[in-house]
Amino acid sequence: DADVTQTPRNRITKTGKRIMLECSQTKGHDRMYWYRQDPGLGLRLIYYSFDVKDINKGEISDGYSVSRQAQAKFSLSLESAIPNQTALYFCATGPAGVDTQYFGPGTRLTVL
Amino acid sequence: QKEVEQNSGPLSVPEGAIASLNCTYSDRGSQSFFWYRQYSGKSPELIMFIYSNGDKEDGRFTAQLNKASQYVSLLIRDSQPSDSATYLCAASPIFSGAGSYQLTFGKGTKLSVIP
Repeated sequence: DADVTQTPRNRITKTGKRIMLECSQTKGHDRMYWYRQDPGLGLRLIYYSFDVKDINKGEISDGYSVSRQAQAKFSLSLESAIPNQTALYFCATGPAGVDTQYFGPGTRLTVL
Repeated sequence: QKEVEQNSGPLSVPEGAIASLNCTYSDRGSQSFFWYRQYSGKSPELIMFIYSNGDKEDGRFTAQLNKASQYVSLLIRDSQPSDSATYLCAASPIFSGAGSYQLTFGKGTKLSVIP
């Protein structure tokens, strides 16, 4: 089984809908991250969490919210999706004190 | 605004040659630098990191850092077709050992190794 899983892998939705992307990890890492990747814009940090009670905004948090339900689970929500949130979303994890981040397989989200 | 700049490529090199990938960064407070490889349709994977000025070698890969020039590079020796991917440069303001987060990524350079 994959160490970092993301669900769903693909999602098409309509403007104004609420969407939740989920991430689970079995690596036992404390730190979890949400990124989005857009052609021509690269990979950008949305939110990151050091533990269940520690959540921080990244570079582009507007329009997004997150929930760290447990050490192993970190969800990203779009309360009211808009077309410019169409992107490839990656969850990543990493242990405290170590620089490696391990990325999940990604969720391709399309907002019509 | 923290920026990490990379030439988008594509950079084409023949098999067996040295591929040189370059990256510049705007934030002088950046302390840690990373190279991720991303195959088409896949997620990024870390291949190297560097904190100190100079060279760091790992197998066929060498990372080079020049903080005075705000410049990071990745050399791939004996390039193989399997090295064909997009290479992402990233910078962090966090010192090594603290577990770098707040990564700022470049847009990536697409490398194509021609057999």
